[in-house]
Amino acid sequence: NAGVTQTPKFQVLKTGQSMTLQCAQDMNHEYMSWYRQDPGMGLRLIHYSVGAGITDQGEVPNGYNVSRSTTEDFPLRLLSAAPSQTSVYFCASSYSSLAFTDTQYFGPGTRLTVL
Amino acid sequence: KQEVTQIPAALSVPEGENLVLNCSFTDSAIYNLQWFRQDPGKGLTSLLLIQSSQREQTSGRLNASLDKSSGRSTLYIAASQPGDSATYLCAVGVYNTDKLIFGTGTRLQVFP
Repeated sequence: NAGVTQTPKFQVLKTGQSMTLQCAQDMNHEYMSWYRQDPGMGLRLIHYSVGAGITDQGEVPNGYNVSRSTTEDFPLRLLSAAPSQTSVYFCASSYSSLAFTDTQYFGPGTRLTVL
Repeated sequence: KQEVTQIPAALSVPEGENLVLNCSFTDSAIYNLQWFRQDPGKGLTSLLLIQSSQREQTSGRLNASLDKSSGRSTLYIAASQPGDSATYLCAVGVYNTDKLIFGTGTRLQVFP
């Protein structure tokens, strides 16, 4: 198993550009989520999904969209990038559809800079 | 609103010391608590998961305890090694939601 994979590893955008961060897992996990990690603020939940076709907002959803058309993939879209979205983005997954009952597996992260 | 705090933010100890990392949370209505390790520039790796009905979990040199009533968890690392150097984060599963709330982490350095 490759586990949780994320692409790209690094990305630089200009303000106003849009892009999609990719996340995929090959463990047949139901629950998938996106976090951003900023210095001094820990990880904050952006969006999550409890199964294909089902998504919901986390703590900081503004400026981001998600969809879950398959069990394996959970892309995160930045609609119009802003410097405040400069961060490291992590995707995570777990077998159970309930985040709190199961071990979370994290991807290696995408480091995004918005100029 | 659930808040998770980790103190200290950074810790530096000599090799061989036993050490304790602290995690506190404001709302005792949690399903579980997880401890993670993060190496520089990498993702998080789950270390221990304690369900709300449990008091502790052990894995090798690591022991995590949970006291829901006081809103505290500790991660005990025995006989620390330089390879233990990393940032350690705790996260709580929030009751009645599908969410984990993370603390800001403790950056640990173990020097030879």
